[in-house]
Amino acid sequence: ILNVEQSPQSLHVQEGDSTNFTCSFPSSNFYALHWYRWETAKSPEALFVMTLNGDEKKKGRISATLNTKEGYSYLYIKGSQPEDSATYLCAFPGAGNQFYFGTGTSLTVIP
Amino acid sequence: EPEVTQTPSHQVTQMGQEVILRCVPISNHLYFYWYRQILGQKVEFLVSFYNNEISEKSEIFDDQFSVERPDGSNFTLKIRSTKLEDSAMYFCASSRTGDNSPLHFGNGTRLTVT
Repeated sequence: ILNVEQSPQSLHVQEGDSTNFTCSFPSSNFYALHWYRWETAKSPEALFVMTLNGDEKKKGRISATLNTKEGYSYLYIKGSQPEDSATYLCAFPGAGNQFYFGTGTSLTVIP
Repeated sequence: EPEVTQTPSHQVTQMGQEVILRCVPISNHLYFYWYRQILGQKVEFLVSFYNNEISEKSEIFDDQFSVERPDGSNFTLKIRSTKLEDSAMYFCASSRTGDNSPLHFGNGTRLTVT
């Protein structure tokens, strides 16, 4: 079992604040690192699939960076909005298409 | 946009009964997965399926569980002799090519074993 850690576990920010959280994963045998957003009563939705060290991907106000040598990825949200409230999951594919998920960071944006 | 569909959305069953959870993956996807999330815990991998056979399974996926792709569209998870600890949200997912393709999840089936 591979260990994928996310921090913080939960976060409350004011609308308009920028925020970031971390996903740590094993730095050996790296294939890819996935980020998902999981809103209450919905299914997880893919945000990014990151494959190369130094990758930076952006989707609107959300961006992510990747450091495969040290085994971490950051997710940034600029100018948080209430609709950004969700749990953000990272997932690390191991051998044989088995994905290991972190526990998620629960973000609440207060209007 | 095509999506993964799961039925039923909620299943209540008595301990010891068998349940079948159904999924229709996205039609041009090649990899299929079952995950579960017990309340308050991590999303856990159960099994992956490719080319009409299991490609990987976790320790959780013991003889109590089985998967099938009975026709070209459905992908089912059967849980035999359910236990209280099988109560969880079960998610089906599919992806086009594996590791580097995002997973597309269904809305999940909430299984409650009483």
